[in-house]
Amino acid sequence: NAGVTQTPKFRVLKTGQSMTLLCAQDMNHEYMYWYRQDPGMGLRLIHYSVGEGTTAKGEVPDGYNVSRLKKQNFLLGLESAAPSQTSVYFCASGRGTAQETQYFGPGTRLLVL
Amino acid sequence: GIQVEQSPPDLILQEGANSTLRCNFSDSVNNLQWFHQNPWGQLINLFYIPSGTKQNGRLSATTVATERYSLLYISSSQTTDSGVYFCAVGLLYTNAGKSTFGDGTTLTVKP
Repeated sequence: NAGVTQTPKFRVLKTGQSMTLLCAQDMNHEYMYWYRQDPGMGLRLIHYSVGEGTTAKGEVPDGYNVSRLKKQNFLLGLESAAPSQTSVYFCASGRGTAQETQYFGPGTRLLVL
Repeated sequence: GIQVEQSPPDLILQEGANSTLRCNFSDSVNNLQWFHQNPWGQLINLFYIPSGTKQNGRLSATTVATERYSLLYISSSQTTDSGVYFCAVGLLYTNAGKSTFGDGTTLTVKP
């Protein structure tokens, strides 16, 4: 039982390049989330999914796209990376009700030059 | 949206000391979690505590939902307790289990 895993762990991009971050969970959770964490701040919700084939915007969705083609995977895409997207990205999953805890992945550090 | 404020922003302790971290929130919630982010960046669930009191070893937490605050107590602190402590809340009338995070309390425990 690996829990929530994220790929890659670290990436450096040049401005304008694109990339996809992969999140995978093996807990059969319906709900998945992408957050970003900037220095000295808490996590902010980018996008989330309430089930396979669904996505929704969070607090800071601009510049990102997501897809949930399979229940266990949640992809976060950057079509044209900007220095402002330099951050640590965390994926989380949960059963979806407000009464349940979320389980977090180890994070992906992204540096956009 | 809901506001989550944590205090103090920074805390420095000597090993063995006790501490109290506070989380205030601006709206009714039915989900409140405390997380520890270790120096390597990993987020670790400490407590799911929308109300009441829980204890786990040297850590305990109390949430008074009617007064919109939660407290995290760390007793006999150890250097391994260092890191950032986050409070995250979910609104009472929202769905999808979304959480709003505070900016955290950075704890440094000195030997």
